Amino acid sequence: NAGVTQTPKFRVLKTGQSMTLLCAQDMNHEYMYWYRQDPGMGLRLIHYSVGEGTTAKGEVPDGYNVSRLKKQNFLLGLESAAPSQTSVYFCASFGGGETQYFGPGTRLLVL
Amino acid sequence: KNEVEQSPQNLTAQEGEFITINCSYSVGISALHWLQQHPGGGIVSLFMLSSGKKKHGRLIATINIQEKHSSLHITASHPRDSAVYICASGGGADGLTFGKGTHLIIQP
Repeated sequence: NAGVTQTPKFRVLKTGQSMTLLCAQDMNHEYMYWYRQDPGMGLRLIHYSVGEGTTAKGEVPDGYNVSRLKKQNFLLGLESAAPSQTSVYFCASFGGGETQYFGPGTRLLVL
Repeated sequence: KNEVEQSPQNLTAQEGEFITINCSYSVGISALHWLQQHPGGGIVSLFMLSSGKKKHGRLIATINIQEKHSSLHITASHPRDSAVYICASGGGADGLTFGKGTHLIIQP
């Protein structure tokens, strides 16, 4: 099992550009999450999904969109990147047990 | 909104010392998680607690539901324990609320 994977690992964008971050899990988990981690702050929830075809807003959803067309994939989109979106993005999945599984993270720099 | 506070923010100790990291939260929760973030950035789940105490190797986690407080203890600390330890509340479908983390350095 690969667990949770994220693509890409690192990206540099210019302000106004768009991009999509891909999260994939092979554990058949229903729940998937996108978090961002910024210096001096705890991880914060951007969007989450409780199953294929569903999405919901988290604590900091503005400027992001998500889609969960397939159960194993959760996509995070930035339509028009801003420097405030410079961050490390983590995807996680949860199958209802005790453990949340995290991806390795994507470092995004918006210039 | 649940607030999760951790202390200390930074902790440096000598190898072999007993380590305690504290976590408090503001509202009643279904579960409390402890996670470890390695220097390379990866995040690993250590424990999920809803009551009492759990032990895994040299790590022990406790929770007091009435006092809204949890502690993570490391016995016989080792330099490889150096990491950021993160406390988070929640555990249901709608994700976790995280503390800011405790940066632990164990010196040889």
